[in-house]
Amino acid sequence: AQSVTQLDSQVPVFEEAPVELRCNYSSSVSVYLFWYVQYPNQGLQLLLKYLSGSTLVKGINGFEAEFNKSQTSFHLRKPSVHISDTAEYFCAVSDLGAGNQFYFGTGTSLTVIP
Amino acid sequence: ETGVTQTPRHLVMGMTNKKSLKCEQHLGHNAMYWYKQSAKKPLELMFVYSLEERVENNSVPSRFSPECPNSSHLFLHLHTLQPEDSALYLCASSHLAEAGELFFGEGSRLTVL
Repeated sequence: AQSVTQLDSQVPVFEEAPVELRCNYSSSVSVYLFWYVQYPNQGLQLLLKYLSGSTLVKGINGFEAEFNKSQTSFHLRKPSVHISDTAEYFCAVSDLGAGNQFYFGTGTSLTVIP
Repeated sequence: ETGVTQTPRHLVMGMTNKKSLKCEQHLGHNAMYWYKQSAKKPLELMFVYSLEERVENNSVPSRFSPECPNSSHLFLHLHTLQPEDSALYLCASSHLAEAGELFFGEGSRLTVL
């Protein structure tokens, strides 16, 4: 089974500053990688996903992530955050060889300070 | 409108009650999931239904009982729950034939007194 590590449980950042949320996973076998965002009192929404091809993936709301196979990482970045980006962010890995199983990290709470 | 609808959004129940959570997806997906979300823990997969057959239960206590009558509907029946079962219960769906993501509902916030 995979494990997903999000090292930072809380990340405060000033508005318009850049941010990086880190994600590492346990195995380098073929996986699909995802970042989800959860706003208060809502379910999870997909930000972006890596399936294959270019290692730099662009998502919604100006977010992007880079897949690094050698470091088994999939860090999420945004060059300039907005107040509305305040939310919980989850990294997930799908090991499709095991019946469409998804593994989630513990989440990173991003707080954007005005 | 996310395409996955969960009801009720909030539920308070005593330990001796019986209640059910409902999930409906309008996306034509063929797999549905129940996840439990507790504070500061990874999402816990409880049940997976693939083509309406259960494929995973992850040793979930028997006080949680899933039901999937068709590919669009999923239920989680609850009885004699414990206070530690209080959590946000998320339903999700996906399409098995595609390299696709999970689509989540907004969750049912359960409080067990």
